[in-house]
Amino acid sequence: EVQLVESGGGLVQPGGSLRLSCAASGFTFDTYWMGWVRQAPGKGLEWVANIKQDGSDEYYVDSVKGRFTIFRNNAKNSLYLQMNSLRAEDTAVYYCARSVGWRSNFDYWGQGTLLTVSS
Amino acid sequence: DIQMTQSPSTLSASVGDRVTITCRASQSISGWLAWYQQKPGKAPKLLIYEASSLESGVPSRFSGSGSGTEFTLTISSLQPDDFATYYCQQYNSYSLTFGQGTKVEIK
Repeated sequence: EVQLVESGGGLVQPGGSLRLSCAASGFTFDTYWMGWVRQAPGKGLEWVANIKQDGSDEYYVDSVKGRFTIFRNNAKNSLYLQMNSLRAEDTAVYYCARSVGWRSNFDYWGQGTLLTVSS
Repeated sequence: DIQMTQSPSTLSASVGDRVTITCRASQSISGWLAWYQQKPGKAPKLLIYEASSLESGVPSRFSGSGSGTEFTLTISSLQPDDFATYYCQQYNSYSLTFGQGTKVEIK
């Protein structure tokens, strides 16, 4: 059974940093693109970033470029999102999701982890 | 970026109704479109990919159609479990974008 379990969310002050983690199991992690999608409270879904199977290629939504970094550790079956220079508008539930390609839909999602950016 | 616009934003329907949700893209995305269902406090669930392909395990009352810039998600006979919010997502470009969502409510 495919499982994606996010962790690392919490309360951070504006300008602060946080790293989210996603532990994957039930599939061959290093054969899939992976991504992060977020959802602000009461709002819709917003794609944040995607990363290639071997970590050699990454894509970001414009609003996080230069502040967020997606990376992975295939030996640990784990995906990460390093978030720096956090803003109030980054407040959201962050979902880890499996992608079937570099431009693709997401076929499995984690349960999400909440990031709140507030002073 | 490609903008995705769903209509309506909210839909009130009864069990057994046929329901149609529309998603329009700001430019052609060929057939690179997915539909998701999301219930409160839960992660989205993939229903349809490549505009009309049903994801494994999804009931056959769900169907998708369209190409280019206009797409539809149809629920042939609405069931109690189907009251949720539905999102479309394009993946024609590397900058992935979602529609704003359509909430299907009980009439």
